[in-house]
Amino acid sequence: AQSVTQLGSHVSVSEGALVLLRCNYSSSVPPYLFWYVQYPNQGLQLLLKYTSAATLVKGINGFEAEFKKSETSFHLTKPSAHMSDAAEYFCAVTDYSSASKIIFGSGTRLSIRP
Amino acid sequence: EAGVAQSPRYKIIEKRQSVAFWCNPISGHATLYWYQQILGQGPKLLIQFQNNGVVDDSQLPKDRFSAERLKGVDSTLKIQPAKLEDSAVYLCASSSTNYGYTFGSGTRLTVV
Repeated sequence: AQSVTQLGSHVSVSEGALVLLRCNYSSSVPPYLFWYVQYPNQGLQLLLKYTSAATLVKGINGFEAEFKKSETSFHLTKPSAHMSDAAEYFCAVTDYSSASKIIFGSGTRLSIRP
Repeated sequence: EAGVAQSPRYKIIEKRQSVAFWCNPISGHATLYWYQQILGQGPKLLIQFQNNGVVDDSQLPKDRFSAERLKGVDSTLKIQPAKLEDSAVYLCASSSTNYGYTFGSGTRLTVV
């Protein structure tokens, strides 16, 4: 089965600094990849998704992610962090056996320092 | 469009009691999912419905968990009897395409 590994359960950056959240996937076939954000006491919101089109995917709130097949990575970035970006971020991948079943990573909590 | 509705938002029960959660997906979405999210972990799929049929329930603890989706619209997830380790957020999601879900706000269950 496919899986995703998120490196770092907690990332802290200063306001205005670059945000980089790491995600690596395991797959023997081209996957479909997602980043979701979860604010406290809320459900999951889709930030962006990669579905084998452009390798650089732009999402909401200024986030983007780049699919790198050679590195099996799909890292999430944002050039300048805002206080409102503080949340839990989940990388996810479709399971090859069922394209509609999404498997989530363990999450990375992003904190923003003033 | 209206989002995925879930109720209740919070529930506290004692172990060995029963509990039920309700989900109303986005209108027209054929696929409905229930996920369990334990604190500090990513969501884990419990069951997937396509219309009113079960597609995948391999991760559902069937000795205590059950779910149904009558008429292919609303769905209920039941736990009977509850254990302490069932404390989690239960998320419902629906989808009309293969790639991208809409999640509800979840039900936070605390078993004491």
